[in-house]
Amino acid sequence: GAGVSQSPSNKVTEKGKDVELRCDPISGHTALYWYRQSLGQGLEFLIYFQGNSAPDKSGLPSDRFSAERTGGSVSTLTIQRTQQEDSAVYLCASSLVPVQGTQYFGPGTRLLVL
Amino acid sequence: EDQVTQSPEALRLQEGESSSLNCSYTVSGLRGLFWYRQDPGKGPEFLFTLYSAGEEKEKERLKATLTKKESFLHITAPKPEDSATYLCAVFSGNTGKLIFGQGTTLQVKP
Repeated sequence: GAGVSQSPSNKVTEKGKDVELRCDPISGHTALYWYRQSLGQGLEFLIYFQGNSAPDKSGLPSDRFSAERTGGSVSTLTIQRTQQEDSAVYLCASSLVPVQGTQYFGPGTRLLVL
Repeated sequence: EDQVTQSPEALRLQEGESSSLNCSYTVSGLRGLFWYRQDPGKGPEFLFTLYSAGEEKEKERLKATLTKKESFLHITAPKPEDSATYLCAVFSGNTGKLIFGQGTTLQVKP
């Protein structure tokens, strides 16, 4: 595809359940980023992938959050034992050039934890 | 600590009424300042990258400028379709993560 795609677009889950969010970056982009956007907090960095490695995980809010990337392409963000405060829009971005490249964002996954 | 502050939080303009949005930043060694546009329910859309003081970039009715402490997004003769939230961000650290401001929500009335 031409842009970053994310799925699902919306996810409603019950507190305590696990969720997986998927990101397909722009073809050929080696760098991939996850951000979270919530009311009152703005856009916050979660994790950065260069290829399949994650040199920067500093933004993950707790050990309930994890992410992986396979084949230097698709990435999955997993939230275990979801809490209501996890409700937010999760955005994925990719860039052609790592570290200093322009980041292009996907449409996001809107997560609601009941 | 790297920080980005945008003002105003919200701006209402009449169609054709030009104005500017402000982005003040504090960062250890600027390696890039970005402007994005975000429509409701969508992801941020890239507009501009600025790298050094004095640099300017234009796209249609938008013009972004950069000084050593702040960036401005000038909107000339805006149209209702320019209504959106405009986000400013800078690179922080060594891994390319972006630090975002809270955004300015622009509403242009016909």
